[in-house]
Amino acid sequence: EVQLVESGGGLVQPGGSLRLSCAASGFTFSSYPIHWVRQAPGKGLEYVSAISSDGGSTYYANSVRGRFTISRDNSKNTLYLQMGSLRAEDTAMYFCARRDITGYYSYWGQGTLVTVSS
Amino acid sequence: EIVMTQSPVTLSVSPGERATLSCRASQSITSNLAWYQQKPGQAPRLLIYGASTGATGIPARFSGSGSGTEFTLTISSLQSEDFAVYSCQQYNNWPPTFGGGTKVEIK
Repeated sequence: EVQLVESGGGLVQPGGSLRLSCAASGFTFSSYPIHWVRQAPGKGLEYVSAISSDGGSTYYANSVRGRFTISRDNSKNTLYLQMGSLRAEDTAMYFCARRDITGYYSYWGQGTLVTVSS
Repeated sequence: EIVMTQSPVTLSVSPGERATLSCRASQSITSNLAWYQQKPGQAPRLLIYGASTGATGIPARFSGSGSGTEFTLTISSLQSEDFAVYSCQQYNNWPPTFGGGTKVEIK
């Protein structure tokens, strides 16, 4: 069974940092690009960042470029999102999602909540 | 980036009735569209990809149609477990983008 389990969310002050993790199991982790997608309270889903299967290529939404860093450790089947210079508008549930070859998301984690507030 | 617009925002339907949800893209995305279902506190679940192909294990009452810029998700006979938020996503252009969602609620 494919599983994606996020962790690392919490309450952080504006300007602070946080590292999210996404532990994968049930599939060959190193074969798939993985994305971070977030959902602000009461809002729609928003693509945040992506990483290629080997970690060699990374991509970011304009809203987080320069502040967030995505990485992965294929030996540990784990994805990361290092978040810095956090703003109130980064408050959201953060999901990791497995992207299939054509571009849709076939599996999602349950999410981890990030709240940026003083 | 491509803007995805869903309508209506909220759809009130009685159990057993048919629900029709719309998704419009700001430019052509051919058939590169997916639909997801999301219940409170849960992860999104893939329902439809390629605009009309049902994902594994999805009941036949869910169907998708459309191409280009206009897409529809139809739930033929709503069951109690179908009351949820439905989102569309385009993957034709980078970055992937989502619609704002349609909440299907009990009438």
